[in-house]
Amino acid sequence: EIVLTQSPATLSVSPGESATLSCRASQSVNTNLAWHQQKPGQAPRLLIYAASTRATGVPARFSGNGSGTEFTLTISSLQSEDFAVYYCQEYNNWPPTRTFGQGTKVELK
Amino acid sequence: QVQLVQSGAEVEKPGSSVKVSCKATGGTFSYYAVTWVRQAPGQGLEWMGGIIPIFGTTYYAQNFQGRVTITANESTSTAYMELNSLRSDDTALYFCARESYCTAGRCSIDIWGQGTRVIVSS
Repeated sequence: EIVLTQSPATLSVSPGESATLSCRASQSVNTNLAWHQQKPGQAPRLLIYAASTRATGVPARFSGNGSGTEFTLTISSLQSEDFAVYYCQEYNNWPPTRTFGQGTKVELK
Repeated sequence: QVQLVQSGAEVEKPGSSVKVSCKATGGTFSYYAVTWVRQAPGQGLEWMGGIIPIFGTTYYAQNFQGRVTITANESTSTAYMELNSLRSDDTALYFCARESYCTAGRCSIDIWGQGTRVIVSS
């Protein structure tokens, strides 16, 4: 079973600053990794898939990087609407299994 | 624009079952997997299983094997998740999601349903 470990658990950032979130997989998931954003009381929303491809409508300030076991999500020039919890999720296995990281909360400093 | 519309909140007693529906509107349903994820209060996301409607192929997380059944009705573009032998720790928000961003047979979620709250209480 693949385990995804996200760090840090909480990231305190001021508006306009950048934030880098990390996701480490216990074994290679190639580039089959997505990032989802979840705001309080809302369903998650896909931001990034295939490790680095932005989903439709996602602003360019969100960027994903990595392959194998090490991945990052960078949010440049944080806006007020970006304060949320971010989850990484792998989808590499066949037959399909899916694993989520435990989440990183990006909060206002 | 495809949307996934889930059924309303449920309150169930321990030991009973719950069935949550997820209807796809505005786009293709059968060719893409539908996956189910739950979120206990204040907790993270937990994958439960999924189905590829056109094949009827299902796959389940080990934690839920034997207790969850996922089905789909292609004619109504609706997927269902039934969870049996409910316990208080099954109280959670249950989400469906479609997986249609595919590369070499590996498919990412692209859209989520709005979630269905299930409360298990005596």
